[in-house]
Amino acid sequence: QSALTQPASVSGSPGQSITISCTGTSSDVGASKYVSWYQQHPGKAPQLIIYDVANRPSGVSNRFSGSKSGNTASLTISGLQAEDEADYYCSSYTSGSTLYVFGTGTKVTVL
Amino acid sequence: EVQLLESGGGLIQPGGSLRLSCAASGFSFSNYDMSWVRQAPGRGPEWVSTIRSSGFNTFYADSVKGRFTISRDNSKNTLYLQMNSLRAEDTALYFCAKDLTAGCYLCAFDLWGQGTMVTVSS
Repeated sequence: QSALTQPASVSGSPGQSITISCTGTSSDVGASKYVSWYQQHPGKAPQLIIYDVANRPSGVSNRFSGSKSGNTASLTISGLQAEDEADYYCSSYTSGSTLYVFGTGTKVTVL
Repeated sequence: EVQLLESGGGLIQPGGSLRLSCAASGFSFSNYDMSWVRQAPGRGPEWVSTIRSSGFNTFYADSVKGRFTISRDNSKNTLYLQMNSLRAEDTALYFCAKDLTAGCYLCAFDLWGQGTMVTVSS
């Protein structure tokens, strides 16, 4: 099972909006309602920021939003802030033999 | 406090064995499916294994199937990962992670430990 494909890096200025894509297949992202996004700061564990494609856990800023179209999921960060600088990973349940797959990761830089 | 605390990592020679533990606190451990996720240096996370809340059903990534065994002791609120026939490519930070919702199978991981490092090298 291959990792989901994300852009290696995305950057934006404070206050801007950015979108990170996550491309999979009809066996994972395209077929699953269990698409999640995680934020990871250096030296820290991943933190769940979006689950079930578009839901935010309690305590997560509403500047983070998720969506899906076909085999591609997207994470949008609006009103970009310095603290958003981190690595972001998508993930999905998959019908393949390896049941859960993460994305390749995107490094977000705030200019 | 709601937390997961891993232990048991270390330096091990190729072909060796290691058992990781994850102590849970602050939530009803026996109600949740639990997983191990690893992250090699400079790489993204990789799902390793999941065990259902009852302990009766277990699932593995192809890369570890037949070598790793996940288990849990609900009376001790502890998750385990027995790793045998270790390879250099198993070198990673190993996290235990809790499923978001009781009964929700591999839907999302809302609680992670700080990780325990496993280094496989001669």
